[in-house]
Amino acid sequence: DQQVKQNSPSLSVQEGRISILNCDYTNSMFDYFLWYKKYPAEGPTFLISISSIKDKNEDGRFTVFLNKSAKHLSLHIVPSQPGDSAVYFCAASDGSSNTGKLIFGQGTTLQVKP
Amino acid sequence: DSGVTQTPKHLITATGQRVTLRCSPRSGDLSVYWYQQSLDQGLQFLIQYYNGEERAKGNILERFSAQQFPDLHSELNLSSLELGDSALYFCASSVLTPSGEKLFFGSGTQLSVL
Repeated sequence: DQQVKQNSPSLSVQEGRISILNCDYTNSMFDYFLWYKKYPAEGPTFLISISSIKDKNEDGRFTVFLNKSAKHLSLHIVPSQPGDSAVYFCAASDGSSNTGKLIFGQGTTLQVKP
Repeated sequence: DSGVTQTPKHLITATGQRVTLRCSPRSGDLSVYWYQQSLDQGLQFLIQYYNGEERAKGNILERFSAQQFPDLHSELNLSSLELGDSALYFCASSVLTPSGEKLFFGSGTQLSVL
C-alpha cells in the first residue's frame, strides 16, 4: 500500500524553465510534508517542507504547494539549473503518531538540460 | 556533510551470510531511523530507535534486527541474506522543528548479495 506516490519517474526540462514535480498521498492523517533531493552516491538531503496548516511555502527558487482536499503537493523550481538534476523524493509524516518517521514516494529523476 | 556517519560504504557478500551495518547519528540526536532503497523503489522505512529503545517498526523482515547502544550509535543486522536483500541502506537522525521532525541522512551502505 503506497501511501505516498510520485507517478512520474522522470522529468526533463530546459535550463531556465520551470520544473514541476508532483506527489499524491492517501493518508489523511499526514500533516507534514517534505521534499528531499538525492545525488548519486549520496544520501537524501532536505530541500523544503510544508505543514498542513499552510498551502504554500517558498525558499528561494523552490516553492512547495499543498492541496489538502486533493491530497496533492507539488514542488516548483524556478528557474531550473543544471545542478538541480537529481532524484527528488516527496515524504510525509503523521504528527499524531509517536514517531517522526517519514513515508517516502518512489522518487522523480529530474534532468535539467543546459 | 549531514553529520550522520555510516560504515561500511560498500558490502559484498554471499547468500546465507550475515552482515552488520553501522550508523553514528549527528551529535546530540537521540533518534536513529533505518531505511532501505531497492532498485527503482523509494525509501522504505525499516525501524526507528529513540535513546536506545525501539520507537517504530516498518516493513522490516524477521531476518533483520537493529539496536541502538548507550552511545547512541546503531547497528542493523541482516542475516540469512537473500539476493533480494541487495539494496542501499540508509540511516538517519532527526531534529524536531516547530512543524515536525526533519531527517538527516547518511550516505548509505550499498549491500550486494551474490
